[in-house]
Formats: sequence, structure tokens, C-alpha cells
Amino acid sequence: DVVMTQSPLSLPVTLGQPASISCRSSQTLVYSDGNTYLNWFQQRPGQSPRRLIYRVSKRDSGVPDRFSGSGSGTDFTLTISRVEAEDVGIYYCMQGTHWPPWTFGQGTKVEIK
Amino acid sequence: QVRLVQSGGGVVQPGRSLRLSCGASGFPFSSYALHWVRQTPGRGLEWVSIISSDGSNIYYSEFVKGRFTISRDNSKNTVYLQMNSLRTEDTAVYYCATMPVEGGLGAYDVWGQGTMVIVSS
Repeated sequence: DVVMTQSPLSLPVTLGQPASISCRSSQTLVYSDGNTYLNWFQQRPGQSPRRLIYRVSKRDSGVPDRFSGSGSGTDFTLTISRVEAEDVGIYYCMQGTHWPPWTFGQGTKVEIK
Repeated sequence: QVRLVQSGGGVVQPGRSLRLSCGASGFPFSSYALHWVRQTPGRGLEWVSIISSDGSNIYYSEFVKGRFTISRDNSKNTVYLQMNSLRTEDTAVYYCATMPVEGGLGAYDVWGQGTMVIVSS
């Protein structure tokens, strides 16, 4: 199974400042069709997860443009350009290239300093 | 309104069974594969199972294979997770979710509200 490793696991941030979360996979996430199926999910306190980013860098509908994804191969990053209070929660990366199983990172808890 | 509404769950003794249901509305349910994902404080999010849009392809995680059965009824816009031989380590919040491969217009990433399953004697 593909192991997804996130860092840091806890990220205190200042409102209005940028924040970045790293995600590494134990093998390349490039699929045979040339696409890379790496997703990012946000889980706000008390809510279900929701997807922010699919295929490394594509934002889902309704996702603010302060969220961006980047990376390739085995190294990926989620960046929040200017953190807002509503961004508090846990962020997960998930690979959908080598399935089954679909595998998630451990989660990164973003909180306001 | 695009939504998945879950029912079922609760407290059950080890070795017993439980069935979760997940009803869809507001999007073309029969065109979507459906996943079950569970969450625990210690293990985070863990993928459990998937059923294709027409029910012809099904996969399970190694943790539940042989004990859990996923199914769907497209006429009722509902997906089910039958959980047999439950173990204490199955204790978790269970989510149904679409998690589509693609995004953009017409691609609905929808999650249920979650349902708690507690396996305890």
C-alpha cells in the first residue's frame, strides 16, 4: 500500500500569514494515463471532510483561491496564501493512483496562534 | 440540495452485526461510485470500501474484507454497508462519500454527516 506522510502534524499560524503543508508518498503517484491523483481535504471542527484540491493543483468548485496545491511525483504541498479564521481544521492528503486502497496522510491540524 | 444522509450505527457487542445506510439527493447518484471511509482519533481517515456506479465493481480494505459488504440500490438512491463480525477496532465514525476522480462542473464531492459505530462489550 502507498504510505502518505504529512508534515508538520500541527501548524500554528498567524491570521493573514501564509501556511504550507507537505505530503510525501512512498511511491510515485503518476498514473499510467499521465495524471497524478493526489487530493487535499479539509475537515473543519465538527464537520465532515470536504475536498479542496484534486489532481495535485485543481481547485474544487467554491474553494477560495487562497488555497493552492503543487508538487509532482512523490512530493506535494498545500499552501494557504493568507490564513483566515475559517481555515482552522485538519487537512489531509489522499492518493487515488494506486488503488485499492485509497490512502490518506495522518492529517495536519491548523490552528490560529 | 446536494447531500448524502446517513443512518444506522450505534453501540454493538463484538461479533455482532450492524448495517449503515446512505441516501443521496440533488445529484445523479447512479452515475457515481460511492466510498465508505472511517475515522478514529488514533488512525485518522481510513478508506473502507468502494462500489462502482452500477454496482459491478467492489473493493474492500484488508481490515474489513470478508466481514463487511457494500451494496447499492440505484432505484432508491441508497448505498449500504453491512458490517458483520464486528471487532472493537471497528469503532469509528463512518462516512459515505463520492470522492470523484475528477472535479469541475458537474463533479460532486459529497460526504455524509458521519455516523458513529461503537463496538464494545
